[in-house]
Amino acid sequence: AQTVTQSQPEMSVQEAETVTLSCTYDTSESDYYLFWYKQPPSRQMILVIRQEAYKQQNATENRFSVNFQKAAKSFSLKISDSQLGDAAMYFCAHRTNAGKSTFGDGTTLTVKP
Amino acid sequence: NAGVMQNPRHLVRRRGQEARLRCSPMKGHSHVYWYRQLPEEGLKFMVYLQKENIIDESGMPKERFSAEFPKEGPSILRIQQVVRGDSAAYFCASSPVQETQYFGPGTRLLVL
Repeated sequence: AQTVTQSQPEMSVQEAETVTLSCTYDTSESDYYLFWYKQPPSRQMILVIRQEAYKQQNATENRFSVNFQKAAKSFSLKISDSQLGDAAMYFCAHRTNAGKSTFGDGTTLTVKP
Repeated sequence: NAGVMQNPRHLVRRRGQEARLRCSPMKGHSHVYWYRQLPEEGLKFMVYLQKENIIDESGMPKERFSAEFPKEGPSILRIQQVVRGDSAAYFCASSPVQETQYFGPGTRLLVL
């Protein structure tokens, strides 16, 4: 079975600064996908970034980037130039090739003006 | 291309009633997933369906819960004889083949 651990229940960052959200996972799969989702107060789940485990290059999406360490089973999210609209709960997720996803318990990010 | 649609967005039921949650996947998506989110928690996988087939229901409670994805029409998550502990947000996601899952807005179920 897969597990996903987000060790930071809450994080805060000053507007325009950089913040890193941590995620570790455990899996017996050799091929899988990792995701970060954002859930604002509306509770809509919004895809932030995705990483294929077979790719060594870290995924980047505008101000969002990941540090994927496959051997260490670590998948952290870096948000650069933080904006007020980035405030939300962030979930890390692992998905197997069979389609089943496991989510962490989330990190609540506060952005201070 | 409309996103994943879920209805109703809010559903109130009394204990013992039935709840039916509907999910229309994005156009061209043949894979549907259901998740449950309790307050202050992450999403928990419930079931994974393709058209007319249940692929993985390892996260579904053994009793009272069922899901289907018929050849025509939306996917349905059905909860019979609801109890207070069923109160949660239920999210549906869809994907083309087995790729990135896109989520609907969720259905908030409240059991009185």
